[in-house]
Amino acid sequence: IAGITQAPTSQILAAGRRMTLRCTQDMRHNAMYWYRQDLGLGLRLIHYSNTAGTTGKGEVPDGYSVSRANTDDFPLTLASAVPSQTSVYFCASSEGGLAGVNEQFFGPGTRLTVL
Amino acid sequence: GQNIDQPTEMTATEGAIVQINCTYQTSGFNGLFWYQQHAGEAPTFLSYNVLDGLEEKGRFSSFLSRSKGYSYLLLKELQMKDSASYLCAVVDSNYQLIWGAGTKLIIKP
Repeated sequence: IAGITQAPTSQILAAGRRMTLRCTQDMRHNAMYWYRQDLGLGLRLIHYSNTAGTTGKGEVPDGYSVSRANTDDFPLTLASAVPSQTSVYFCASSEGGLAGVNEQFFGPGTRLTVL
Repeated sequence: GQNIDQPTEMTATEGAIVQINCTYQTSGFNGLFWYQQHAGEAPTFLSYNVLDGLEEKGRFSSFLSRSKGYSYLLLKELQMKDSASYLCAVVDSNYQLIWGAGTKLIIKP
């Protein structure tokens, strides 16, 4: 593993199904983030974690949950997918405890379609 | 509310210079980032400004004026590979990034 990886690359999901997007980083970064990117809109923060064992809500957390059991992994779960969750999801990580002022490194993204 | 404004799309010629502007209104300010994002790929870091003035890094420079809530990214000697979206993002008072929608830059030969 080099940097930050996400799985799956893309997924088509029926509405109402549960889905977990995986994210793993090998840079030993303290902070990790989940964003969604929709056409015409900026990246929007869903959830973040400043360090292992802690998580926080971002701008658009409804319908999503996260966990941070260890430094490397930060999965994002959609408990019951809805079509409005169709988007490209990016996971990112950064050094340091003050999450915002460090360069963020992004994974390649997961393209999710909810039908 | 918090707002980041960038032009939606710009076109420039290979070899020329282009300036991409970003204006912001946020609750607090702890710095401004520029990222580059090629189509279908992840954003990658270009620059970070927290003090007023110009930061130069090779062909790319970034300028910040905190009093005006304004930044620009200057790209010189444009190459075809510079065709991408350029994202402006501001660190707010809660140390979270507020992202603009991005400027799609099209380079023509």
